Amino acid sequence: KAGVTQTPRYLIKTRGQQVTLSCSPISGHRSVSWYQQTPGQGLQFLFEYFSETQRNKGNFPGRFSGRQFSNSRSEMNVSTLELGDSALYLCASSLANQGTSNNSPLHFGNGTRLTVT
Amino acid sequence: KNEVEQSPQNLTAQEGEFITINCSYSVGISALHWLQQHPGGGIVSLFMLSSGKKKHGRLIATINIQEKHSSLHITASHPRDSAVYICAVRSRGSNYKLTFGKGTLLTVNP
Repeated sequence: KAGVTQTPRYLIKTRGQQVTLSCSPISGHRSVSWYQQTPGQGLQFLFEYFSETQRNKGNFPGRFSGRQFSNSRSEMNVSTLELGDSALYLCASSLANQGTSNNSPLHFGNGTRLTVT
Repeated sequence: KNEVEQSPQNLTAQEGEFITINCSYSVGISALHWLQQHPGGGIVSLFMLSSGKKKHGRLIATINIQEKHSSLHITASHPRDSAVYICAVRSRGSNYKLTFGKGTLLTVNP
């Protein structure tokens, strides 16, 4: 079974631009969540999707958005990029049930490293 | 104060030593995850716990819900165990969000 695939692996953007990152979950996984990892803040939760609906959202500004498609693939978008958005962006998929509590193991992708100059 | 505190931040051990990494949290949780991240690598989920103890090979994870504390133990440590170990809790309540500790950098020397 293929793992979680994130594309692209690396991105360099300029301040003010926008970026879209993609995540393909493990086949059969309907829950996809996104995380930002920086040396200073560590891992922080961005948002979680289940069956095309956003279930949870972390404490990030509205410039960070995401969506999930009917095939469970997910994208996240960051608009008006700032230098502080430079980070490793990770997505994870899991087998989740219909409830709001997702207590299934997480399967992470290798991440997209975004550099904003 | 962070919702999830890990200790120690850094840990250096000799091959073969018994390792313990601790995680304390301040919120009610529905589950706790232990994750492993190698330098430059992706994150691997080691354990997900809501009570008791789990074992996988040389790794053991325990959780005490009343004391809001979890430990990750590595027996007979090996240089390939060198990595950052991250504790994450999924809170109970309206949003069930995932909150991470800052991680413990483990270096096992041969």
